[in-house]
Amino acid sequence: DMKVTQMPRYLIKRMGENVLLECGQDMSHETMYWYRQDPGLGLQLIYISYDVDSNSEGDIPKGYRVSRKKREHFSLILDSAKTNQTSVYFCASSLSGSSGNTLYFGEGSRLIVV
Amino acid sequence: SQLAEENPWALSVHEGESVTVNCSYKTSITALQWYRQKSGEGPAQLILIRSNEREKRNGRLRATLDTSSQSSSLSITATRCEDTAVYFCAASSSFSKLVFGQGTSLSVVP
Repeated sequence: DMKVTQMPRYLIKRMGENVLLECGQDMSHETMYWYRQDPGLGLQLIYISYDVDSNSEGDIPKGYRVSRKKREHFSLILDSAKTNQTSVYFCASSLSGSSGNTLYFGEGSRLIVV
Repeated sequence: SQLAEENPWALSVHEGESVTVNCSYKTSITALQWYRQKSGEGPAQLILIRSNEREKRNGRLRATLDTSSQSSSLSITATRCEDTAVYFCAASSSFSKLVFGQGTSLSVVP
């Protein structure tokens, strides 16, 4: 079954708290991604991981870090969350990082920072 | 500035009508993808069209690519209420990661 699973789906945190968003995929895909989606801004790439411990910054990496210790699992960490990090976060995976690959998305994690 | 951009920003059609969403992009691409995102879900790919292709079909969906004008279109025929979603184009090139546009919100009403 080709699936990207995100946990948790909904999260409310206080400003300054740490946040861990987790993502798993069952397709043995090499490449995984974290995006955030805000109204009117589309999908913005935070980080991309080409394989275990091979991570690269996307377009908006500031305030975020990632961890990929197993190919099927990719975590997004917010150290000391800020209110402007309130957003919907999407994880995705693709067979490889080559251009023209299909991205498979999870259902999203909605984070509210108060 | 956006590498890829859809227009219009939003549109509404009646069930059964046809509709077209347009996409313009700003650089030489290797492929262009169309994704659909229904409310509360993640985006799902509809069609991938490579730079050497001019047209691709998937059921009621038809995508075109014009590399000379750096534009693409996605047409949906015989629309259904379940086609209500945000439609994104996403451009990929040899030197950049996949970049999504801001999306076109389509409402299909009975």
